[in-house]
Amino acid sequence: AQKITQTQPGMFVQEKEAVTLDCTYDTSDQSYGLFWYKQPSSGEMIFLIYQGSYDEQNATEGRYSLNFQKARKSANLVISASQLGDSAMYFCAMSYRGNYGGSQGNLIFGKGTKLSVKP
Amino acid sequence: DTEVTQTPKHLVMGMTNKKSLKCEQHMGHRAMYWYKQKAKKPPELMFVYSYEKLSINESVPSRFSPECPNSSLLNLHLHALQPEDSALYLCASSQELGRLAVKETQYFGPGTRLLVL
Repeated sequence: AQKITQTQPGMFVQEKEAVTLDCTYDTSDQSYGLFWYKQPSSGEMIFLIYQGSYDEQNATEGRYSLNFQKARKSANLVISASQLGDSAMYFCAMSYRGNYGGSQGNLIFGKGTKLSVKP
Repeated sequence: DTEVTQTPKHLVMGMTNKKSLKCEQHMGHRAMYWYKQKAKKPPELMFVYSYEKLSINESVPSRFSPECPNSSLLNLHLHALQPEDSALYLCASSQELGRLAVKETQYFGPGTRLLVL
């Protein structure tokens, strides 16, 4: 069975500093994808970054980078130069092929980490 | 700006009411999803439509009835809901990549906050 674990319920970071949000996963699949989403208090889930299980290089998107360590089954999100607008809930998610016969990638989410950026 | 829109943003309904949530995407995606999210919890998958056909129903009670009129529209019809159904309802869409499904990114709408009295 697939599982995503985020062990940090809440994190604080000073504005302009970098922060790492932890994510570990468990799966027996060889092919899977790892995603990070940001959810502000408004509710919308905003896609941040994607890492494929076969990708050899860590993904980067602007101030976001994903520290992918496949042997340790971890996919930590690094946010550089934090901004006040980064305060939000962050979810790590994993896609996998379901057993339903459908071809969509199913997503399972971790419990989330609430990040607060201090001025 | 999100290309997945949801209406209404907020909805208050009684247990005997019938209402509908609407979702529209403008990205040419062929898979659409409904999620339910309770406060301080991750989203939980309810339904998946692929090419306008229901492909996944996660044992959701029949008081929730999904409908996909065309490839860009997704509705969720609500009837005789319970107070515990109060939640944020999120719609999402993705390309439908077939065997490359694990690469699919789901793009979410802003959600509808539902309160059942």
